[in-house]
Amino acid sequence: KAGVTQTPRYLIKTRGQQVTLSCSPISGHRSVSWYQQTPGQGLQFLFEYFSETQRNKGNFPGRFSGRQFSNSRSEMNVSTLELGDSALYLCASSLGPLYTFGSGTRLTVV
Amino acid sequence: AQTVTQSQPEMSVQEAETVTLSCTYDTSENNYYLFWYKQPPSRQMILVIRQEAYKQQNATENRFSVNFQKAAKSFSLKISDSQLGDTAMYFCAFMIREYGNKLVFGAGTILRVKS
Repeated sequence: KAGVTQTPRYLIKTRGQQVTLSCSPISGHRSVSWYQQTPGQGLQFLFEYFSETQRNKGNFPGRFSGRQFSNSRSEMNVSTLELGDSALYLCASSLGPLYTFGSGTRLTVV
Repeated sequence: AQTVTQSQPEMSVQEAETVTLSCTYDTSENNYYLFWYKQPPSRQMILVIRQEAYKQQNATENRFSVNFQKAAKSFSLKISDSQLGDTAMYFCAFMIREYGNKLVFGAGTILRVKS
């Protein structure tokens, strides 16, 4: 079966711009979670969506937001990009406690 | 606070030998899952093994096994018969059932398998 698909794979944005990342979960998975991975902070939880509702939120500023559609696909948005937002953004879909991760979107802010 | 500590930033092992990666965690909760994930250069996080905290028996998956010491809050990963394909970053993580699907990760251990 198809895995978790994240698009795009790579992205370069300018400071101050905004960006939208997309995640298509495994068919039948209703939970989608997002993580930010940086060399300095490691892997940090951003938020989780379940059946179009945000169920859990990490400790990130309001510039980071997300949503989930009725087909369980999810998007995350970062507004007013800062250099420190450069990271690998990982999405994972889950059935219960078992996550399947996507390959991530590498965002570079210049 | 929920934290995970991996005290070994990097480790090396010869092909076919055994290596153990350390992990300790801190939580006041009693009902949680523990995981080891592998992240090769391809970036995709792959589940290696998981343990449910209420189970005393240590989990095993082929060449991978854990030593789960609940009282000590320790969850080490043993890789037997190491293979070149095991070269990756390994992350220890836990998830508290009542808090939903939120993983707390350690900083990771880079494992290099040498031929």
